[in-house]
Amino acid sequence: GAGVSQTPSNKVTEKGKYVELRCDPISGHTALYWYRQSLGQGPEFLIYFQGTGAADDSGLPNDRFFAVRPEGSVSTLKIQRTERGDSAVYLCASSLSGSRETQYFGPGTRLLVL
Amino acid sequence: QKEVEQDPGPLSVPEGAIVSLNCTYSNSAFQYFMWYRQYSRKGPELLMYTYSSGNKEDGRFTAQVDKSSKYISLFIRDSQPSDSATYLCAIGSMNYGGSQGNLIFGKGTKLSVKP
Repeated sequence: GAGVSQTPSNKVTEKGKYVELRCDPISGHTALYWYRQSLGQGPEFLIYFQGTGAADDSGLPNDRFFAVRPEGSVSTLKIQRTERGDSAVYLCASSLSGSRETQYFGPGTRLLVL
Repeated sequence: QKEVEQDPGPLSVPEGAIVSLNCTYSNSAFQYFMWYRQYSRKGPELLMYTYSSGNKEDGRFTAQVDKSSKYISLFIRDSQPSDSATYLCAIGSMNYGGSQGNLIFGKGTKLSVKP
């Protein structure tokens, strides 16, 4: 079956612009995670959804970052007033029900802020 | 001290060698331990997942957890050029910081297996 998909695969934007990154989880997975991976680093947790609600958003770096999952499936990560330091790979993962379940990752969106 | 420490390498070995990859962690609340493999420009894919201290084997891969030392290892036997990738340890807890299931990753070790 289909895995986690993310669009776009690459995004180049200018400092100060707004971007949206999309994640399509595996069908039937109720838990969805966003991570950010900077060059030479492991993924860092941003936010976790259980269904439609954000169960944990403690990893969001500041209020420029926001994520939604209105119907409990597709999620969008939104970044306002982008900064050069936001350049990274944004990874999405989903799991069947959260907690100890295996997380399946998408290929990521490579964001470059010029 | 970072919660999860992993030597980033790079590590270069000849084909057929045994590879040992390691991570240490600081919080004894962590309950489950994973190794992910990440090829260049791809997302991480799960290799091994274990809850308990001891060894878990899957083909050429063995994951080892020592909770008393807060030390986890991944061994790769008969390494192949196709094993060349970055290996990430990841650790999780049911109730860490109030969340349920977000993973804490090491930096990743870049492995190159030369034919």
